[in-house]
Amino acid sequence: GDSVTQMEGPVTLSEEAFLTINCTYTATGYPSLFWYVQYPGEGLQLLLKATKADDKGSNKGFEATYRKETTSFHLEKGSVQVSDSAVYFCALKNNNAGNMLTFGGGTRLMVKP
Amino acid sequence: EPEVTQTPSHQVTQMGQEVILRCVPISNHLYFYWYRQILGQKVEFLVSFYNNEISEKSEIFDDQFSVERPDGSNFTLKIRSTKLEDSAMYFCASSDLQGASGEQYFGPGTRLTVT
Repeated sequence: GDSVTQMEGPVTLSEEAFLTINCTYTATGYPSLFWYVQYPGEGLQLLLKATKADDKGSNKGFEATYRKETTSFHLEKGSVQVSDSAVYFCALKNNNAGNMLTFGGGTRLMVKP
Repeated sequence: EPEVTQTPSHQVTQMGQEVILRCVPISNHLYFYWYRQILGQKVEFLVSFYNNEISEKSEIFDDQFSVERPDGSNFTLKIRSTKLEDSAMYFCASSDLQGASGEQYFGPGTRLTVT
């Protein structure tokens, strides 16, 4: 079945550091890929998405590129802020299998001033 | 900005008891979902609901689970006879479109603790 693997955390960075959170997936067909973010005490919020190979999703300075050849969707940000501290979830939706999202395990990011 | 709400935020129940978790999806959305996250594990899909019936369910969603949209605004998840292993964070979500553009909006979750 479909699966998503992302790097384990926590990831601890200083403010203004470069962020990469790795995400790879296994799926049949051509899934859509998502990054969700969960701030403390809140629900999961969609951060960005990409629906086909080579698409780049971007939002709030975060970017991720859908790489079909490496089955990856790594999340990057050039300069993190303390307010980016949260848990980040990579997810896929297999467009051949309904609407369900398949999530990775989540990566906690802690940004220190 | 419209949001999905869930009540209660934390529910403690004894093993064997029935619990109902409540969600108010975004008002113009048509698709509704439940996911759960056992502590330290992945967020897992339970069920999706459209047009007053279940459209998909996972193997986790066995006979002890049921969902209902009792009125025009609420969406509920019932667990008939809770087990210790049902302890988890339960997330409700809703979306307005199928397919890749159907972004799912999540609520803040209900933490269920079964003792």
